[in-house]
Amino acid sequence: ETGVTQSPTHLIKTRGQQVTLRCSSQSGHNTVSWYQQALGQGPQFIFQYYREEENGRGNFPPRFSGLQFPNYSSELNVNALELDDSALYLCASSFMAGPPYEQYFGPGTRLTVT
Amino acid sequence: ELKVEQNPLFLSMQEGKNYTIYCNYSTTSDRLYWYRQDPGKSLESLFVLLSNGAVKQEGRLMASLDTKARLSTLHITAAVHDLSATYFCAVTNSGYALNFGKGTSLLVTP
Repeated sequence: ETGVTQSPTHLIKTRGQQVTLRCSSQSGHNTVSWYQQALGQGPQFIFQYYREEENGRGNFPPRFSGLQFPNYSSELNVNALELDDSALYLCASSFMAGPPYEQYFGPGTRLTVT
Repeated sequence: ELKVEQNPLFLSMQEGKNYTIYCNYSTTSDRLYWYRQDPGKSLESLFVLLSNGAVKQEGRLMASLDTKARLSTLHITAAVHDLSATYFCAVTNSGYALNFGKGTSLLVTP
């Protein structure tokens, strides 16, 4: 069974640039959620994708957008990067509407905006 | 808005001692999760609690849920150094978004 993978591991961007982060869900899972974790804080929910549609969104501006592909992998895109976007970005995969309701997290992408 | 409060936020304990981490949440929740995070690492799932009175144990960790009190506890028995990490509880009432507490940073010392 393949776990959740994310790429890249680290990246550094300049304020105003755009970034794309990628996530491959765990085998058998059909739902991907994205979270932002600032240093010393708990993760904050960005959005979730199910069957290639956004299924819920947290309190993040529209410059945070995403996609889910037919193989259930997902992308998180952030436009017009700001310094406060520096954080660990985590994706979590799960199986919608069924036990065991676990959400398994990937290793994360650490984004630094300078 | 579903709010989650953990306490304590920082905990230093000696090896061999017992302690409890508390997680309170503000509104009705479908499920409660406990995660462990090591420095610079991702979140490792520890427990998922689904119903009132649920209790789960794994090694030196035991989690319980009281939905009427909107309270979950994570009890540590006879702590060892390997348990040093940050522990998060998270709840959901929507089926998707996890609302996390700020985490409890645990340090187990000799």
